[in-house]
Amino acid sequence: SQQGEEDPQALSIQEGENATMNCSYKTSINNLQWYRQNSGRGLVHLILIRSNEREKHSGRLRVTLDTSKKSSSLLITASRAADTASYFCATDAVGGANSKLTFGKGITLSVRP
Amino acid sequence: NAGVTQTPKFRVLKTGQSMTLLCAQDMNHEYMYWYRQDPGMGLRLIHYSVGEGTTAKGEVPDGYNVSRLKKQNFLLGLESAAPSQTSVYFCASSYNAHKVSRWNTEAFFGQGTRLTVV
Repeated sequence: SQQGEEDPQALSIQEGENATMNCSYKTSINNLQWYRQNSGRGLVHLILIRSNEREKHSGRLRVTLDTSKKSSSLLITASRAADTASYFCATDAVGGANSKLTFGKGITLSVRP
Repeated sequence: NAGVTQTPKFRVLKTGQSMTLLCAQDMNHEYMYWYRQDPGMGLRLIHYSVGEGTTAKGEVPDGYNVSRLKKQNFLLGLESAAPSQTSVYFCASSYNAHKVSRWNTEAFFGQGTRLTVV
């Protein structure tokens, strides 16, 4: 079964508003990552937060991680129409020397001009 | 700076036919992955490799085989294609041991291969 589960499945907001997306996971992780996918394209890495970090910023992105609740949130501030895309969380789970990056089902974000 | 390149970009197969999808990366990455993406299912890991000559099963490996004979290439094979394998396939790579810590492994994706099995 998939490691990460995003919430909500779909989100529609007005340009300028903030968008908050959540991700929950099941097992211990080395890090958690957020990716964006524009329609018909490959995924693009947005931000990575390590298991010993609680918050991280990158431009208009803010990600938090709560390892006790096994959850993360991605906040996009002052959204733009160009932020319209699908967003995925991915976990790099603890488990020996191998790395197995697993993804959730994704959140569809629509930003209305 | 090609990154991750997948070939082909589109393919239509008849049930029972075989084919190989090629993934090539030029970033000296150790890890490579094959995912399939289906509507409502997100990305599911098919097989992955943590180094040249090694492969491992992911979430949905049945019906697929892989090989990593060269560090830069990761091949995904379908021996006898089935309509259930109609999907968009993505290859990804991560972790250059000489550049970043093992714990900062962002993945780089190819543009995908749209496969239809009829």
